Amino acid sequence: AQTVTQSQPEMSVQEAETVTLSCTYDTSENNYYLFWYKQPPSRQMILVIRQEAYKQQNATENRFSVNFQKAAKSFSLKISDSQLGDTAMYFCAFMKIQGAQKLVFGQGTRLTINP
Amino acid sequence: ETGVTQTPRHLVMGMTNKKSLKCEQHLGHNAMYWYKQSAKKPLELMFVYNFKEQTENNSVPSRFSPECPNSSHLFLHLHTLQPEDSALYLCASSQSNGRRNTEAFFGQGTRLTVV
Repeated sequence: AQTVTQSQPEMSVQEAETVTLSCTYDTSENNYYLFWYKQPPSRQMILVIRQEAYKQQNATENRFSVNFQKAAKSFSLKISDSQLGDTAMYFCAFMKIQGAQKLVFGQGTRLTINP
Repeated sequence: ETGVTQTPRHLVMGMTNKKSLKCEQHLGHNAMYWYKQSAKKPLELMFVYNFKEQTENNSVPSRFSPECPNSSHLFLHLHTLQPEDSALYLCASSQSNGRRNTEAFFGQGTRLTVV
């Protein structure tokens, strides 16, 4: 079974700062996806970024980037130039590339961007 | 708008009531999911349907009864619920061609309160 752990229940930074959210996972699979989802107060779960385990290059999406360390089973999210609209719950999630289609989520990190 | 629509957005029901949650996806996906999100707990996978067939039942009590009449619609029928069933219920969909899964897209959820 897969597990995903987010050890930071809450974080808070000032607008325009850079913040890094941590995520570790455990799996015996070799091919899988890792995701970061954002859930603002509107409750909509929005995909922020995706990483495929067989790709060594870290994924980037504008101000969002990841540091994927496969051997260490670590998958952190870096948000650069943070904005007030980044305030949300952030969830790290795991999914196999083949087979059972289910997302395994971490406990979430509540991120607050202060003006 | 992610292409996954859930109704109703809010529901208050008594423990003896019967109600249904509805989810519809307009993305042409072949897999649909129900997740339960309770306060201070990770998202819990409840059910997975793939091509209308249930492929995952995560030890969910029988008072929750899913129905998937086609690949675009998913229901969750509720009866004789308990107050601890109060939570946000999230629907999601994704695509699989048998060799590769895609990321899941979520609806905005139904906030359920059992009184």
